[in-house]
Amino acid sequence: KQEVTQIPAALSVPEGENLVLNCSFTDSAIYNLQWFRQDPGKGLTSLLLIQSSQREQTSGRLNASLDKSSGRSTLYIAASQPGDSATYLCAVRNNQGGKLIFGQGTELSVKP
Amino acid sequence: NAGVTQTPKFQVLKTGQSMTLQCAQDMNHNSMYWYRQDPGMGLRLIYYSASEGTTDKGEVPNGYNVSRLNKREFSLRLESAAPSQTSVYFCASNRWGYEQYFGPGTRLTVT
Repeated sequence: KQEVTQIPAALSVPEGENLVLNCSFTDSAIYNLQWFRQDPGKGLTSLLLIQSSQREQTSGRLNASLDKSSGRSTLYIAASQPGDSATYLCAVRNNQGGKLIFGQGTELSVKP
Repeated sequence: NAGVTQTPKFQVLKTGQSMTLQCAQDMNHNSMYWYRQDPGMGLRLIYYSASEGTTDKGEVPNGYNVSRLNKREFSLRLESAAPSQTSVYFCASNRWGYEQYFGPGTRLTVT
């Protein structure tokens, strides 16, 4: 059974720092992986989708990498800003028609 | 393009009452989902519909029913609400195997 883990559960950094959020999964036979952001009291916003054949995807200051063989993905945020404060979730899809399996999320706080 | 919309935004029910949560998407997605989110439990899948005309149980289906009314709309019904169903409910949709998009959520309190 696929399990997705995100460590740490919470992270606090000063503004301007580059940071990495981690996501690990137990079954490396995935179809794709998606990173989301959730602001308090809001729904999930999709940040990046990375297909199993890809090594990384970039959007602005965000870069997601995928290493299927080791069961890991990272989300790199460059030059963090207070507006980046949110909970970040990763989710894995095992096959094209499969459901997303979510991690518990990392709550990020960027201090001015 | 409104994306995924949900109604209502907030609802308070008494134990035993029934209600239907509505969800609609305008992205021509074939798959739609209902999740609940509780503190410490993360997101849990209640039901999903891989395509129009089909529905399947997720991780926590007990106490819920769903209807895929057409390609755009997917509703979640609580027949007899219980305090354990107090939660935030999210609807989501995606094109088969692609990026999933979420609605803004419905905050439900059952007293």
